[in-house]
Amino acid sequence: SQTIHQWPATLVQPVGSPLSLECTVEGTSNPNLYWYRQAAGRGLQLLFYSVGIGQISSEVPQNLSASRPQDRQFILSSKKLLLSDSGFYLCAWAQGLDSPLHFGNGTRLTVT
Amino acid sequence: QKEVEQNSGPLSVPEGAIASLNCTYSDRVSQSFFWYRQYSGKSPELIMSIYSNGDKEDGRFTAQLNKASQYVSLLIRDSQPSDSATYLCAVKTSYDKVIFGPGTSLSVIP
Repeated sequence: SQTIHQWPATLVQPVGSPLSLECTVEGTSNPNLYWYRQAAGRGLQLLFYSVGIGQISSEVPQNLSASRPQDRQFILSSKKLLLSDSGFYLCAWAQGLDSPLHFGNGTRLTVT
Repeated sequence: QKEVEQNSGPLSVPEGAIASLNCTYSDRVSQSFFWYRQYSGKSPELIMSIYSNGDKEDGRFTAQLNKASQYVSLLIRDSQPSDSATYLCAVKTSYDKVIFGPGTSLSVIP
């Protein structure tokens, strides 16, 4: 069966510090991968998605970036965090054109 | 116009009643539609997928899709207090992009 791992679960970082969040999927190959951010009390904002290694589509350029160095690995990064980057970051995967997304447990990021 | 919209909440229903959740989308070429439930502080979990016009039933849940009207709905029959959560409508648009609505908060009163 497929599983998705996302870490860390919680993170507190000062403004201006770098960020790296990692997500890996097991039990499948060539999945579509997604990063979302959810601000407190709000909906899910699509940040990046990838349909293959090295293929990244950006929805929110700002100060965030994403990379997919391996088929089942998706990394979200920032060189300098802003207060507005605080939120609940969710990684998700889907297999095939019509498949639903399956989410990891999320990372709660607080920028202080 | 927002890509995916949902009826504003919060929605409160008594235990045992039917809860009705609505969603509209703007991209006419969308073919895949999903409903998720999210408990506070947790990640979303899939309730149902629907791809064709009409109704799809799964236990107490029924999803309805009308592509001509660009409308998706979710009915929850015999609502239980454990159904109290935020319900998210998601639409897969062009190029495998999946957009979520803002969510509707449901409260089932015992």
